Amino acid sequence: NAGVMQNPRHLVRRRGQEARLRCSPVKGHSHVYWYRQLPEEGLKFMVYLQKENIIDESGMPKERFSAEFPKEGPSILRIQQVVRGDSAAYFCASSPPTGASYGYTFGSGTRLTVV
Amino acid sequence: AQSVSQHNHHVILSEAASLELGCNYSYGGTVNLFWYVQYPGQHLQLLLKYFSGDPLVKGIKGFEAEFIKSKFSFNLRKPSVQWSDTAEYFCAVNAGSARQLTFGSGTQLTVLP
Repeated sequence: NAGVMQNPRHLVRRRGQEARLRCSPVKGHSHVYWYRQLPEEGLKFMVYLQKENIIDESGMPKERFSAEFPKEGPSILRIQQVVRGDSAAYFCASSPPTGASYGYTFGSGTRLTVV
Repeated sequence: AQSVSQHNHHVILSEAASLELGCNYSYGGTVNLFWYVQYPGQHLQLLLKYFSGDPLVKGIKGFEAEFIKSKFSFNLRKPSVQWSDTAEYFCAVNAGSARQLTFGSGTQLTVLP
């Protein structure tokens, strides 16, 4: 049990559709991070959020991608008008308010396939 | 910006062989260093981490890593691998004031029974 719950595990979308990926952090963790893993590559940082705030989105593509972490409910990574190049595994991690590196927990990921 | 290099993309060993996976990072300041393992279809699990103190860090499952500041390296070692160690291994760094991790491209380890 990873503690961070991501769903769905697998998602297939046609080009032009929207993809919504959900991440429920470990209970008590208020920081969420999204990473993307392209085939044959390591994980690339996308965005870091706290409740209701985007702290760092330096790794997010400028268009079509957005993320939120509302006061209630999971964090959502949204990809509009998906293209084949968006096919990847998307991982979410969470950490407690203090010392992010000390308490990083990863989810099992969502594997997005764009057909 | 920091970067992490893992030299070996794929390593194949027989059981009981010794393992060393290379990891180099580029950042001149204080760093926190990590090794994660990813078994097929599963989430990343933390093997070990270095923040400060003794540069030889021991982790779970018999793994250890040595931080050599002068070489900007944090190589992962295990004296005797098992078939169950077959997985992908990622080195990561957290540097400066950043809270996110920067990952290397990973090393796929295959251990033959």
